Amino acid sequence: KQEVTQIPAALSVPEGENLVLNCSFTDSAIYNLQWFRQDPGKGLTSLLLIQSSQREQTSGRLNASLDKSSGRSTLYIAASQPGDSATYLCALTWGGKLIFGQGTELSVKP
Amino acid sequence: GAGVSQTPSNKVTEKGKYVELRCDPISGHTALYWYRQSLGQGPEFLIYFQGTGAADDSGLPNDRFFAVRPEGSVSTLKIQRTERGDSAVYLCASSLRQDYGYTFGSGTRLTVV
Repeated sequence: KQEVTQIPAALSVPEGENLVLNCSFTDSAIYNLQWFRQDPGKGLTSLLLIQSSQREQTSGRLNASLDKSSGRSTLYIAASQPGDSATYLCALTWGGKLIFGQGTELSVKP
Repeated sequence: GAGVSQTPSNKVTEKGKYVELRCDPISGHTALYWYRQSLGQGPEFLIYFQGTGAADDSGLPNDRFFAVRPEGSVSTLKIQRTERGDSAVYLCASSLRQDYGYTFGSGTRLTVV
């Protein structure tokens, strides 16, 4: 059985800080891992997709890493902005479907 | 279409009624997924279609839930005899191939009163 855990559940930081969101999983036989953003009352927006053979992906101020052997992924957000406030979800493709963590609710204070 | 479209965006129904939720995937995406998200939780898998057939329906909670995709494009999630515990946001996603990732719709918020 695959279990995905995200720590912390909630995080509040002042604007401009760099921050790291963590995702861990129990079965390393994943196909890929995807980080999503979810704004309140909205659907999911894909941020970064890392294939199982890759170690990291970057998009603008976001960098996601993947270490399959230790069952971990991190999402690094540089120079955080109030507009980054949202829930961040990590999801991995396992057994033909996406398995999600519970999310980290991020609040960036001006 | 350009994205995954879900209708209605909001649905309020009385306990015991039947509801249908619709998902229109990205054109050409052969894989379609339904998820359910309760407040403060991550989405939970319900069912996955590859083409017209359900490849994995292990996430459907009970036999009140059923989904179809008769022509391999639009899918309908059907819930019979709704219960208050069915209240949640129902999300649909489609994918061309697993290594291309998944695109989600905005969801249908179902409230059973």
